[in-house]
Amino acid sequence: DAKTTQPPSMDCAEGRAANLPCNHSTISGNEYVYWYRQIHSQGPQYIIHGLKNNETNEMASLIITEDRKSSTLILPHATLRDTAVYYCIVRVVGGTSYGKLTFGQGTILTVHP
Amino acid sequence: DGGITQSPKYLFRKEGQNVTLSCEQNLNHDAMYWYRQDPGQGLRLIYYSQIVNDFQKGDIAEGYSVSREKKESFPLTVTSAQKNPTAFYLCASKLAGYSYNEQFFGPGTRLTVL
Repeated sequence: DAKTTQPPSMDCAEGRAANLPCNHSTISGNEYVYWYRQIHSQGPQYIIHGLKNNETNEMASLIITEDRKSSTLILPHATLRDTAVYYCIVRVVGGTSYGKLTFGQGTILTVHP
Repeated sequence: DGGITQSPKYLFRKEGQNVTLSCEQNLNHDAMYWYRQDPGQGLRLIYYSQIVNDFQKGDIAEGYSVSREKKESFPLTVTSAQKNPTAFYLCASKLAGYSYNEQFFGPGTRLTVL
């Protein structure tokens, strides 16, 4: 699975959009981009995933660059409850993949009033 | 409600004792996973199971054992051979068949070995 690089921490004002970047320059054609988040002392929570098209769900939007070497997770209106560690994960889908997720250290997002 | 339960939330054991962590899911998921998380670190895969009566080692399986006798249950035993067992342990599950399906995580068990 491709390695990802995320900033260690970011701040965001409540009510504003939070844009979390992720670099995955070694991504290959059969690898998806996943985002999970982990609120302190809880299990990670799935947010969104995509292959090459931009994706949106009730939690967030995922913007993947055309060359797929980087992506941005967007929380459109951040709340205090969005304070968490956000993990960007790239992994192979299909073939011998068994669904393993490789978590890096992620980005600590702090939403302040 | 459907979900994954892990018990207990906090667990204390003396050094040298084996301890078993429980993981149960009622999501009818085929695949189940155990991860370990150390302070300030990401998750590392210990064991995974794609079907009943079958499981495979992950990246850090030494000192751990698992069983998968029922689809709903995937208990993890931390043995005395695990050199540094104090950590946060997370169980997850997902549907098999399509490997891009999301993983659902339990609330975790924080194990402290004294």
